[in-house]
Amino acid sequence: DTAVSQTPKYLVTQMGNDKSIKCEQNLGHDTMYWYKQDSKKFLKIMFSYNNKELIINETVPNRFSPKSPDKAHLNLHINSLELGDSAVYFCASSAGGQQETQYFGPGTRLLVL
Amino acid sequence: GQNIDQPTEMTATEGAIVQINCTYQTSGFNGLFWYQQHAGEAPTFLSYNVLDGLEEKGRFSSFLSRSKGYSYLLLKELQMKDSASYLCAVRAGGYNKLIFGAGTRLAVHP
Repeated sequence: DTAVSQTPKYLVTQMGNDKSIKCEQNLGHDTMYWYKQDSKKFLKIMFSYNNKELIINETVPNRFSPKSPDKAHLNLHINSLELGDSAVYFCASSAGGQQETQYFGPGTRLLVL
Repeated sequence: GQNIDQPTEMTATEGAIVQINCTYQTSGFNGLFWYQQHAGEAPTFLSYNVLDGLEEKGRFSSFLSRSKGYSYLLLKELQMKDSASYLCAVRAGGYNKLIFGAGTRLAVHP
């Protein structure tokens, strides 16, 4: 029983295309996140939603649009893909409370050709 | 600005002890996390410190000094499966925002 799941695991596409990545968590958490991990392995926060409300929106090109249909799902849509978008995208979720540990999904490896 | 520094790579021998350091300069501080990430996998939570001192969890311990902006992760009785990247992350600012260091790649040799 997977806690945080993402689809697809791998995504290879051409420059200029539009693609979506889906994330679901069955932990009952209120908050979900999208991170980008580049080739240098830096993990950077992109967005966060709490109960379907956007609460963190880092400096990300507006070609990236997150959508949260309910608190268990957070999807990421990317328009007009560019070579520099190639990376691993991780979804994460956390409950409330003082510690609020974030639990990560398995990642989506995106390669833009 | 936000800055988190860790050594890029470390090597150690099976059965030994290794200490991975992390220094940070962030605007705001509300806790420090250590994550382990095996190649091609997701980061997994190891430890959390918000007060100064040592937190011990089996073979892994983590230390925090807020006045020095410094933490370390101590791994004892190293095993081959401990070969992984270790990510230091500071919670700074609101909304549980984590700022990650670049990670330390640890190689454990027989």
